[in-house]
Amino acid sequence: TQLLEQSPQFLSIQEGENLTVYCNSSSVFSSLQWYRQEPGEGPVLLVTVVTGGEVKKLKRLTFQFGDARKDSSLHITAAQPGDTGLYLCAGPSLNRDDKIIFGKGTRLHILP
Amino acid sequence: GAGVSQSPSNKVTEKGKDVELRCDPISGHTALYWYRQRLGQGLEFLIYFQGNSAPDKSGLPSDRFSAERTGESVSTLTIQRTQQEDSAVYLCASSFYRYNEQFFGPGTRLTVL
Repeated sequence: TQLLEQSPQFLSIQEGENLTVYCNSSSVFSSLQWYRQEPGEGPVLLVTVVTGGEVKKLKRLTFQFGDARKDSSLHITAAQPGDTGLYLCAGPSLNRDDKIIFGKGTRLHILP
Repeated sequence: GAGVSQSPSNKVTEKGKDVELRCDPISGHTALYWYRQRLGQGLEFLIYFQGNSAPDKSGLPSDRFSAERTGESVSTLTIQRTQQEDSAVYLCASSFYRYNEQFFGPGTRLTVL
């Protein structure tokens, strides 16, 4: 069974600090997506990484896809309270059904 | 254009009653997903529709749960004989085929008393 394991489950840090969260699997994924969900809303796509070793930057957020396409990381520089939320990684199933599989997420809380 | 909409936004029901949740996906999106999210938890996959293919029902937790989709439009998720453990936010998402970005609705918060 394909699984996406996210770590840590919870992270609470002070405003201005840097952090990294991880998304790992024993399976190869053709691509991985990162979503952020704010309280009371549905998740919103942040980025899709497709190529092994790829690095994408979105302002203070840096996303990396592992060379073997089995893992990804999200690094946030100088975290701000607005970064608070649930960060989810997702990827397409290897099965023919093309279903998207989600990890359980990292709940991030930035303290002002 | 309009995003994914869900109704009702909130539903309070008594244990044992049936409920029906509705999702209107983005026009033209062939894929539609239903997820359940318990308080403070991640997304729990329920069911997946892709075009005219048979739906993937592997995530439905019991036979009290069922879902339908008419073509590539509206979907309804029905929970029969609701139980307190069914209380959660039910999220719907649609995407334009395969691995494209999923667009989520705001969810329906179901409370079973």
